[in-house]
Order: sequence, then structure tokens, then C-alpha cells
Amino acid sequence: EVQLVESGGGLVKPGSSLKLSCVASGFTFSSYGMHWIRQAPKKGLEWIALIYYDSSNKYYADSVKGRFTISRDNSKNTLYLEMNSLRSEDTAMYYCAKGQLRDYWGQGVMVTVSS
Amino acid sequence: DIVLTQSPALAVSLEQRATISCKTSQNVDNYGISYMHWYQQKPGQQPKLLIYEGSNLASGIPARFSGSGSGTDFTLTIDPVEADDIATYYCQQSKDYPFTFGSGTKLEIK
Repeated sequence: EVQLVESGGGLVKPGSSLKLSCVASGFTFSSYGMHWIRQAPKKGLEWIALIYYDSSNKYYADSVKGRFTISRDNSKNTLYLEMNSLRSEDTAMYYCAKGQLRDYWGQGVMVTVSS
Repeated sequence: DIVLTQSPALAVSLEQRATISCKTSQNVDNYGISYMHWYQQKPGQQPKLLIYEGSNLASGIPARFSGSGSGTDFTLTIDPVEADDIATYYCQQSKDYPFTFGSGTKLEIK
């Protein structure tokens, strides 16, 4: 059974940093690209980043480019999102999702940026 | 960026057909594949893939769901609608980065 479990969220102040993790199981993690997608409270979905299976390519939404970094450790079946210079508008539920089709999603982790 | 436009809400009666549209600002087809996908999100849950590449039913999804369209106009059809289908439906394109989503269509029962 495919499972994606996010962690690392919480309440932080504007300008601070946070690192999210997504632990994968039930599939060959090292064979799939992985995404981060977020959803602000009561809002729609926003794709924010993709990393290829071998970390050879990374893509970002303009809203996070230069502040967020996606990475992965295939030996640990883990995807990361390092978030710097956080803003109030980064407040959202953050989901990791598997593969080209995003056919499996984690339950999400909440990040709240507030003073 | 490619902009995806969806109607905010749709009200249908149980056992009737629901048709949800998604229009894109640019063509999302390439070499015969439509890079358009549909997701269902129920309150408090993560999104679930329903349809991929325009018209392909994802694993475990009932045949009541179908997708159609090409180019810039796409449709998700639910026929017949069941009570369990109450959710918000999102389209997403993966033709170009960034992979943009539509704003979602909330399906309601009349």
C-alpha cells in the first residue's frame, strides 16, 4: 500500500524557516518524481515544486522560487521542502504527491505563519 | 503561466448527470496526449486522482466518472451522481511549468 506521511509543520513567525518531510512507502520511491502542493485555508490547490526521481531537475512556482528548496534522499525514501523567509501568505496545508500523475497524496501538514 | 478556468459551483439532482468544465488559456495537448488531470477533494481530506491525461480513469475510480476534451476545453462527467460525490473537483495541467490548477468546482445536490 502506497503511503506518504508529511511532518515538520507548525506555527512560525514571518521571516523564519521551516523544513517539511514526506516519508514514502509502498512503492519504489527512487523511481518517481515527487511534488509539493499547498492549499491555503478555504482556498484552492497551488502546485509549488517538483523534483525528478534522481534530483537532476527541480521546478518551482514563482510564488516560492528563491525561498523554498525541494530535495530528496532516496536512501531514506524521504522528500523535503526547505522553506525560508516565510510570509503570512505561505500559511497553508502542504501536501506531497507521487509521480507524473500525482496519483497518491499524503494527508498534509499544516504550516501557519503568523506573528 | 497557463490559466485554468472552472465554474465555482454546480448543483445537480441525485442520479442525474453532472458536467464540470475546465478551460485553459493555452493548448495543453502535446503529441496526441492531453496533459489535463482531474482530482476530487472531499472536506478535510487530501485530493484524489480521478482522471489522467484527459480521459483515462485512475485506478479504483468508478466508471461513473469520465473525462473528455482536448486542446483548451475539457469536461469531467459524473453519471449518475451519487451522494458520496459531494466534493470539490479540480482540473490541473501538466503541459508546462508551473503545473497550474483550476480554482475548483464545488458539486452540490439540489
